[in-house]
This record gives sequence, structure tokens and C-alpha cells, in this order.
Amino acid sequence: DVKVTQSSRYLVKRTGEKVFLECVQDMDHENMFWYRQDPGLGLRLIYFSYDVKMKEKGDIPEGYSVSREKKERFSLILESASTNQTSMYLCASSQNRSPYEQYFGPGTRLTVT
Amino acid sequence: GEDVEQSLFLSVREGDSSVINCTYTDSSSTYLYWYKQEPGAGLQLLTYIFSNMDMKQDQRLTVLLNKKDKHLSLRIADTQTGDSAIYFCAESMGGGNKLTFGTGTQLKVEL
Repeated sequence: DVKVTQSSRYLVKRTGEKVFLECVQDMDHENMFWYRQDPGLGLRLIYFSYDVKMKEKGDIPEGYSVSREKKERFSLILESASTNQTSMYLCASSQNRSPYEQYFGPGTRLTVT
Repeated sequence: GEDVEQSLFLSVREGDSSVINCTYTDSSSTYLYWYKQEPGAGLQLLTYIFSNMDMKQDQRLTVLLNKKDKHLSLRIADTQTGDSAIYFCAESMGGGNKLTFGTGTQLKVEL
């Protein structure tokens, strides 16, 4: 079974702190994704990566950066957390072939106070 | 970006059929997907349909695709309490590996 794990289920941080969210997948998938999930807005893509050290901006990259130094690990960084970044963050991975099924981690609920 | 739209809530009685609807905008989408999110969990793929198909059936699930109207639906037969979840439709943008998700439909199954 594909397994995507995220470093924390719940996280509380203060405004201005630097926040790291880690995601690891164990199926040698090429593609990895970071989404945020907000009620009524569905999932919105923040960044994705299709290879080590490669990254592309999604629909809402502002205020975020990412790092992919190893194939299995994709990190999301909030350089200076703000209250409007309070959300559920979901990581996913997929193979680079059809039907491009994405496998999701359980999510990290981040609260910025 | 392209918008994928769904109604936010659906309530059905146990044993009835549920129909969740979705409209998408990218006519070049190669695959369209239905994902399920149970409380406190990530999303899990339920089923997908290739764009040259009109219908796909998988046990209690039936997916209908109307490419002309860019409309996708998921029918769940004999809905059970365990089907209570949020259901997301998604399209593959330009046929590639980047997906655009809808807003999600919260399905509540009542006894």
C-alpha cells in the first residue's frame, strides 16, 4: 500500500514564526503536491514538484515556499506565518503516468494565533 | 485557474440513492475523478473515468460523464451511513498530472 505521512496532525504557531510541514511518501512517486483545504473552497494547490529539486507554483503560492532535496520528501515552508494561513494542509503524491491517481496524507491542521 | 463546481451539501436517507453533481471547465481533461474524504482523514480515490467514456459502473457507484455540458455525476446506490463523507470531483488539467479539485459535497446519510 502507498503510504503518505505528514509530520504532524495538529500544529499551533504564533504569527511571524517560521513553520515547516514535512511530507514523506514510500512508493518512489515522481510527483508531490501541497494543498490547503478550507471550507467552501475545496482543495487549492499551493506548490507541486515533479522531480527532485524541481518545483512549480500552484494557484496560491504567495506566503509559501517548498523544498524537495530527496525524492521521497517534500517540505512546505511558511516563512512568516500569518493568521490567514490557518488551514488544513494536505500532501499528496502520484506516479508520472496515467491515470495520475494522487495518494493523500492524513493532513496537518495548522492554527496560527 | 479553472473552476470545478459542486453543491456544498446533500442529505439522503439510508437505503436511498445519492447523486452528487459536478461541472468542470477544461474540455481537454483526459481523466475525471471522484475522491472521498472521511472525517479526520485525507482524500482517497473512489473512481475515475476516461474522457472518451460516457459511463462507468463499479459496484454501488455509477459515474456519468456529459462532455458536451461538461457535467460529471456520481451515483451511490443503497447509500449507507458509512458513505457519509465529503466527495470531491477533480479534473486533470490539460490531461496531465496536475489536478483541479471541486469545492466538495458534504454527504450526510440519515437513518
